[in-house]
Amino acid sequence: AQRVTQPEKLLSVFKGAPVELKCNYSYSGSPELFWYVQYSRQRLQLLLRHISRESIKGFTADLNKGETSFHLKKPFAQEEDSAMYYCALHSGYSTLTFGKGTMLLVSP
Amino acid sequence: DTGVSQDPRHKITKRGQNVTFRCDPISEHNRLYWYRQTLGQGPEFLTYFQNEAQLEKSRLLSDRFSAERPKGSFSTLEIQRTEQGDSAMYLCASSLTVIDTQYFGPGTRLTVL
Repeated sequence: AQRVTQPEKLLSVFKGAPVELKCNYSYSGSPELFWYVQYSRQRLQLLLRHISRESIKGFTADLNKGETSFHLKKPFAQEEDSAMYYCALHSGYSTLTFGKGTMLLVSP
Repeated sequence: DTGVSQDPRHKITKRGQNVTFRCDPISEHNRLYWYRQTLGQGPEFLTYFQNEAQLEKSRLLSDRFSAERPKGSFSTLEIQRTEQGDSAMYLCASSLTVIDTQYFGPGTRLTVL
């Protein structure tokens, strides 16, 4: 069965500091990985997906199949990045398996 | 059409009562998904539809839960004989195809007293 692990419940950084939100997955097939974000009082929305290899709002994530990881990174955090971040895996059966999420708090 | 909508946004009910939630997907989206999210957890898959056909149901979906999408447009999720453990945020999402991004609604927060 597929599983997504986000080891940190909360990550607190200062503005301008680098950010890395960790995500590890367990899946026997070829996964498709996503990062979703939920800002305060807003709905869950897609931040990025690994197949598009885009950089959204300065965030990037690289799929490492050897380490089964898909960590989210940003070189310089901004206060508006404060939000709940969820890593998710699409297993090919049309469903998403989410991690428990990491709250990112960026202080001025 | 500004996205996936859900109604109601909040529902408070007493244990043992039945509740029904509605989801309106983005108009051209064939696939519709229901998830449940409890405190401290990520969304957990419940069921999904392709057009009007319900193609998969999670083991989380007990016999008290039923979902429909009668005309392949909006969907309803009914919970019968609610229990306190059903208290959660119920999320709906839709996508154009199986490989496309799932777009989420704002959710319906259910509180069972």
